[in-house]
Amino acid sequence: AQSVTQLDSQVPVFEEAPVELRCNYSSSVSVYLFWYVQYPNQGLQLLLKYLSGSTLVESINGFEAEFNKSQTSFHLRKPSVHISDTAEYFCAVSISGTYKYIFGTGTRLKVLA
Amino acid sequence: DAGVIQSPRHEVTEMGQEVTLRCKPISGHNSLFWYRQTMMRGLELLIYFNNNVPIDDSGMPEDRFSAKMPNASFSTLKIQPSEPRDSAVYFCASSGEEVSNEQFFGPGTRLTVL
Repeated sequence: AQSVTQLDSQVPVFEEAPVELRCNYSSSVSVYLFWYVQYPNQGLQLLLKYLSGSTLVESINGFEAEFNKSQTSFHLRKPSVHISDTAEYFCAVSISGTYKYIFGTGTRLKVLA
Repeated sequence: DAGVIQSPRHEVTEMGQEVTLRCKPISGHNSLFWYRQTMMRGLELLIYFNNNVPIDDSGMPEDRFSAKMPNASFSTLKIQPSEPRDSAVYFCASSGEEVSNEQFFGPGTRLTVL
């Protein structure tokens, strides 16, 4: 069975500082990996995804994540955060080619002025 | 495209009442998902439809919950009778047949059962 672990439930960080949100997964088969973002009172939006190929994937708003197969990790990073990045971030895994997502418990990122 | 549409956005009801949540998926998507989000349990998949057919309902909590998808553009999630522990945000998501399996989420329905 697959599982996703987000160890940090909350991450406070000052504006313009770097941030890393950690995600580890467990699976015996090939998986797709996703990061979703949920702003207050909204649904989840896809931030970035890893399907295959280059292990470093980027989003349009400056986030990036690196797939590390040996460490079974898919950590999300941003070199300089903005107040507007305050949100909850969910890591998710699905078995390649199937419908079912397994979501992590989420990490609440709070960017401080 | 308007994205996934859910209604109502907020619902407050009393214990024992019937609640119906509605979802319109993105046009052309053939997969639909209902999720429940709570502080205690996070995001849970309740049921998955493919081409209007329920494929996996193993996440439906109990018989009080039922879901239907009468056509490709509409789905309902019904709770009868509702209980306070059903209070949560319910999300609908849809997906096409892309290899990426990206799911597009609606804005959610915040349900409060008093």
